[in-house]
Amino acid sequence: KQEVTQIPAALSVPEGENLVLNCSFTDSAIYNLQWFRQDPGKGLTSLLLIQSSQREQTSGRLNASLDKSSGRSTLYIAASQPGDSATYLCAAIQGAQKLVFGQGTRLTINP
Amino acid sequence: KAGVTQTPRYLIKTRGQQVTLSCSPISGHRSVSWYQQTPGQGLQFLFEYFSETQRNKGNFPGRFSGRQFSNSRSEMNVSTLELGDSALYLCASSLDIPAEAFFGQGTRLTVV
Repeated sequence: KQEVTQIPAALSVPEGENLVLNCSFTDSAIYNLQWFRQDPGKGLTSLLLIQSSQREQTSGRLNASLDKSSGRSTLYIAASQPGDSATYLCAAIQGAQKLVFGQGTRLTINP
Repeated sequence: KAGVTQTPRYLIKTRGQQVTLSCSPISGHRSVSWYQQTPGQGLQFLFEYFSETQRNKGNFPGRFSGRQFSNSRSEMNVSTLELGDSALYLCASSLDIPAEAFFGQGTRLTVV
């Protein structure tokens, strides 16, 4: 059974810092890994999708990496801004489009 | 293009009642999946449909059921509601598998 863990559970940093969020998964037989952000009471916004054959993906200030052999993914956020405050979730995508989520990292960027 | 649309956004139901939630996927997407989000359990997979067929099902009781129509719209039904069914129910659509999943804003269900 796939288990996804995100560390840390919460993170508070001053504006402008670069930061890394971690995601680990127990079963390397995944199709893709996807990162999302969720604002309070809202749905999930897709940030980055990394296919199993890829090592990393970049979008603006975000960079996500994937190492299937070690069961790890990281999300790097450069030059953080207060608008980046949200909960960040990673999900391992398995057969028939089943997403297995971590518990998320609640990120607070202080002005 | 329009995103994933879920209706209604909020629902309040009484224990023992049943409820139906609706999800309209992004145009052209044939895969629709449903998730339950609670503070204690996080996001948990309910089921996934592709071209009107359920391909995968999570570990939820039979009170939770769903279906998909020929236009890819999907409905989820929960019968005999319990207090523990109070949650945010999220729907996601994808073009195919494996593919990027796009989520709707969710339906907040409160059971009293």
